[in-house]
Amino acid sequence: NAGVTQTPKFQVLKTGQSMTLQCAQDMNHNSMYWYRQDPGMGLRLIYYSASEGTTDKGEVPNGYNVSRLNKREFSLRLESAAPSQTSVYFCASSAGQGFYTFGSGTRLTVV
Amino acid sequence: QKEVEQDPGPLSVPEGAIVSLNCTYSNSAFQYFMWYRQYSRKGPELLMYTYSSGNKEDGRFTAQVDKSSKYISLFIRDSQPSDSATYLCAMSGGGGSYIPTFGRGTSLIVHP
Repeated sequence: NAGVTQTPKFQVLKTGQSMTLQCAQDMNHNSMYWYRQDPGMGLRLIYYSASEGTTDKGEVPNGYNVSRLNKREFSLRLESAAPSQTSVYFCASSAGQGFYTFGSGTRLTVV
Repeated sequence: QKEVEQDPGPLSVPEGAIVSLNCTYSNSAFQYFMWYRQYSRKGPELLMYTYSSGNKEDGRFTAQVDKSSKYISLFIRDSQPSDSATYLCAMSGGGGSYIPTFGRGTSLIVHP
């Protein structure tokens, strides 16, 4: 009964390094999302995938790319990390209406 | 004006108190109204939701929607230290989109 699984849980990157955050869900949901959460800013949508094979930009997509690998997996890539990307990243999946199941998050620090 | 406004708190109450958490919104087209609870260093979890107006009760929790005032509330009765968390309101269904608009969250501290 895993729900949404995110890896890694913690990561420290140097400015300019790249990395991929992984997300997998086992609830057969069509839609998947990537958010970042910063103090005082709340949850901000980076990218989403309404269904397998589609991806769309959210509120703050600059500096990120995504891949919907299959129905279960949705990855987020930082090609050249910047200190402004220091944040907590959450993946979520949904069957509709905005009822999300979130993962436990990835705490990313870019130095 | 942000689409969803929520006081960040913190709101500190003694154990056993009745807690009222609130959000206001500007988009009258919203149809689904949700409350998520987020414990420290965890992901948000869906606590309750209502469709359109009215009340919904689940144990010690009551969600209330007043569409005429564009105001939603979450009441917690007999609050417990385990209720200490950040509570995020969220709304969806406006303009045909079911991607929710989140409030920034209210931090609640229930002290013994």
